[in-house]
Amino acid sequence: AQSVTQLGSHVSVSEGALVLLRCNYSSSVPPYLFWYVQYPNQGLQLLLKYTSAATLVKGINGFEAEFKKSETSFHLTKPSAHMSDAAEYFCAVSGGDMRFGAGTRLTVKP
Amino acid sequence: ETGVTQTPRHLVMGMTNKKSLKCEQHLGHNAMYWYKQSAKKPLELMFVYNFKEQTENNSVPSRFSPECPNSSHLFLHLHTLQPEDSALYLCASSPSGTSGIPSTDTQYFGPGTRLTVL
Repeated sequence: AQSVTQLGSHVSVSEGALVLLRCNYSSSVPPYLFWYVQYPNQGLQLLLKYTSAATLVKGINGFEAEFKKSETSFHLTKPSAHMSDAAEYFCAVSGGDMRFGAGTRLTVKP
Repeated sequence: ETGVTQTPRHLVMGMTNKKSLKCEQHLGHNAMYWYKQSAKKPLELMFVYNFKEQTENNSVPSRFSPECPNSSHLFLHLHTLQPEDSALYLCASSPSGTSGIPSTDTQYFGPGTRLTVL
C-alpha cells in the first residue's frame, strides 16, 4: 500500500522567497510520485512527475522536486515565489494505486 | 472544448432529490475517475472506469451510482444524499488504466462540481 504525508497544511512566503513544500511517502514498491497544483475554482493540474529516470525532476512554472529514497521524501521547491504561485499543492504516490496527500495551501505575501 | 469538462459547476440539492453529475473528456483517454474532495481531507478516490468497465469502487455508499456509457463520458447519479456528502466532486482521466487499479499515468482533472446538500 502507498501513502503520502504533506507536512504543513499552510505555508506562507514573501514574494521572491524560496518555496519549500514537504512530502514524505510510503510505498512497498518503487513509487511514481507526483505534485499537482489546484488554483481556486479549478481542478488539479500536474506540476511534475517522478518515474525513476532522474532524482531531480523539473516541472512547470519553475518548480522542481528531488526524490530522496533514503529519506522517503519528494519535496517541492521553487527558488523565487511569485504571487501567481498562491494555490493548493498536492503530493501523490502511485505504485499502481494512486494516493493523494491532504494538500498544502501556499500563500505569497507581497 | 478541450481537456476534461464537468457540468454543472455548482449544484444545490435537497436530501430527497435525484441529480446527476456529468464529465466529458476530449483527450482520447481510456480510464476515467471520480474523486471526492472535502475540506482538510485528502482526495478520496470513489470510482475507476477502464475501457468503460468499472474496475474499482472504493466502498462508496450506494446513494452514489456511476455510469460510463463510453470512454469519453462519465456520470455520477446522486439520490437521497446526506449533508456530509457536500464536497467538490472531481472527474479525471488518464491515457490507460491497468485492470483493477488506477493507472500510474498522469491524471487530467476537470474543474469539479461543487455540491451542496441541504
